Amino acid sequence: EDKVVQSPLSLVVHEGDTVTLNCSYEVTNFRSLLWYKQEKKAPTFLFMLTSSGIEKKSGRLSSILDKKELFSILNITATQTGDSAVYLCAVDEEYGNKLVFGAGTILRVKS
Amino acid sequence: NAGVTQTPKFQVLKTGQSMTLQCAQDMNHNSMYWYRQDPGMGLRLIYYSASEGTTDKGEVPNGYNVSRLNKREFSLRLESAAPSQTSVYFCASSLRTGGGTDTQYFGPGTRLTVL
Repeated sequence: EDKVVQSPLSLVVHEGDTVTLNCSYEVTNFRSLLWYKQEKKAPTFLFMLTSSGIEKKSGRLSSILDKKELFSILNITATQTGDSAVYLCAVDEEYGNKLVFGAGTILRVKS
Repeated sequence: NAGVTQTPKFQVLKTGQSMTLQCAQDMNHNSMYWYRQDPGMGLRLIYYSASEGTTDKGEVPNGYNVSRLNKREFSLRLESAAPSQTSVYFCASSLRTGGGTDTQYFGPGTRLTVL
């Protein structure tokens, strides 16, 4: 059965800290891995990763994929209170036509 | 450009009542999805539609039915609501044309409570 596991389940940091969120997966016919940020409402897209070792970067956020070890990390540097959210990892299957989501990591950034 | 819209935003039902959640997208996407989100469970796929006229079960289809009314609209029906169906429901859509990678765009969600 396909599985996506995120860790930690939650964490609390202070503004300015750097955080690393983890996502490991067991999926048949992997195609891509996606990261979403969810604040009050709908998840919003952050990154899509398809190739190992190539870092995707957007401002203070970056992510990288390791297809050999079957995991991805999402880094946030110099955290701000606006980074407080649930971060969701999802894996796209080649033939399944659907995303498999992890349970999410709840991040709270304290001022 | 509205993206993905859902109605209603909130709903309270009594056990045994029925209702339909509506979803529409204006991005000319081929695929549409219904998820439910419960605390600590992430997003779980209920049903999806890879194209107009087709629907398939996801991870948790029991107690639900769907209709892909046309390319824009995908509705989710609860025939006899149960307290276990209390959740936040998200609709999503993606361009997905059968190959290549994909990004799903989500609606704002419907918060459903079944008493």
